[in-house]
Amino acid sequence: QKEVEQDPGPLSVPEGAIVSLNCTYSNSAFQYFMWYRQYSRKGPELLMYTYSSGNKEDGRFTAQVDKSSKYISLFIRDSQPSDSATYLCAMSPTDSWGKLQFGAGTQVVVTP
Amino acid sequence: EAEVAQSPRYKITEKSQAVAFWCDPISGHATLYWYRQILGQGPELLVQFQDESVVDDSQLPKDRFSAERLKGVDSTLKIQPAELGDSAMYLCASAGALNTEAFFGQGTRLTVV
Repeated sequence: QKEVEQDPGPLSVPEGAIVSLNCTYSNSAFQYFMWYRQYSRKGPELLMYTYSSGNKEDGRFTAQVDKSSKYISLFIRDSQPSDSATYLCAMSPTDSWGKLQFGAGTQVVVTP
Repeated sequence: EAEVAQSPRYKITEKSQAVAFWCDPISGHATLYWYRQILGQGPELLVQFQDESVVDDSQLPKDRFSAERLKGVDSTLKIQPAELGDSAMYLCASAGALNTEAFFGQGTRLTVV
């Protein structure tokens, strides 16, 4: 069983809808939680990070971490066609933000 | 805008041949990572450098893979001999410090035939 589980999708939503993404994990040592966005044939880019449990908001994006349930979420409000990409959750047990355990990624398609 | 440079972007090689990938991190970034991303999966860490030293290579298949960062700046990842299962995207990332964002390059897509 993988340490980080993520539904690969694809997840198709109409423009303007809320996109809801999530990951579960098994390693209770994870302390840093991140969401990356990856466009086709490009490298991942960091969207948001959260330390330990709680919520964090940045514009149209909200990240939530529930360590008691080992469950993290990313919500995208007012989705746009430009949000179409693969979204990867990633986690680290240390403060080495580049030493990450990634989920498989969820492909999101926002249709106009 | 500073970015991580990788070359080549695409590489096709025959199995049993040697292949090498190059990464030039963002200037001043001491920490460098190599990841492998198989199609449909998330990236998996292969090796981590701090300056010219290997910090973690526990997931690097050392019988065929090698990585170096001789002067603590650019880095090379080599595979010899390549196998069909090595077909993947090889991503390089760099960070200014351990607890700061790691920036990824665009990757080298390897196809082994």
